[in-house]
Amino acid sequence: GAGVSQSPSNKVTEKGKDVELRCDPISGHTALYWYRQSLGQGLEFLIYFQGNSAPDKSGLPSDRFSAERTGGSVSTLTIQRTQQEDSAVYLCASSLGLQGPQHFGDGTRLSIL
Amino acid sequence: GDSVTQMEGPVTLSEEAFLTINCTYTATGYPSLFWYVQYPGEGLQLLLKATKADDKGSNKGFEATYRKETTSFHLEKGSVQVSDSAVYFCALIAGGTSYGKLTFGQGTILTVHP
Repeated sequence: GAGVSQSPSNKVTEKGKDVELRCDPISGHTALYWYRQSLGQGLEFLIYFQGNSAPDKSGLPSDRFSAERTGGSVSTLTIQRTQQEDSAVYLCASSLGLQGPQHFGDGTRLSIL
Repeated sequence: GDSVTQMEGPVTLSEEAFLTINCTYTATGYPSLFWYVQYPGEGLQLLLKATKADDKGSNKGFEATYRKETTSFHLEKGSVQVSDSAVYFCALIAGGTSYGKLTFGQGTILTVHP
């Protein structure tokens, strides 16, 4: 596809369940970023990948959050034992190289009941 | 730490009015500065950017000038349209970083009435 694709677009789940969010970056983009957009915290950086490596995980809110990227392409963000405060829109962006302009997907809206 | 502060919204204007959305920042080194826009139901889009002091970014009639002396990057447009209604985010990438971690302001909702 032409842009960054995220799935699902919406996810509703019960507290305590695990969720997986997927990001398919623009073909050829080596850098991939995850952000979170919530009412209370605004837009926050979570983690980035250069290729399959994640050198900076400092933005992950807790050890319930993890992310991986395989084949230098698709990335998944996993939240274990979800809590209500995890409710937010999770945004993925990719760029051609680490200093290139970031192109954002439409996000996954996560709601924890 | 690095931070971005935007003027509080929401901002409501009539079509063809002049727009200013203020943005100031705190950062180490010489950051790159950005304005992103989020139209209703859509993802974030880069609107314009400036990478060094006194640079002016411009796009779609919007402009912003990187002012190091006042640590500001105010967004302006001379004549807004209804289609400009969106949420606008000021953001920075800190100088000296090897990757593009964006630090965002809280966003300003703009509504333009006919």
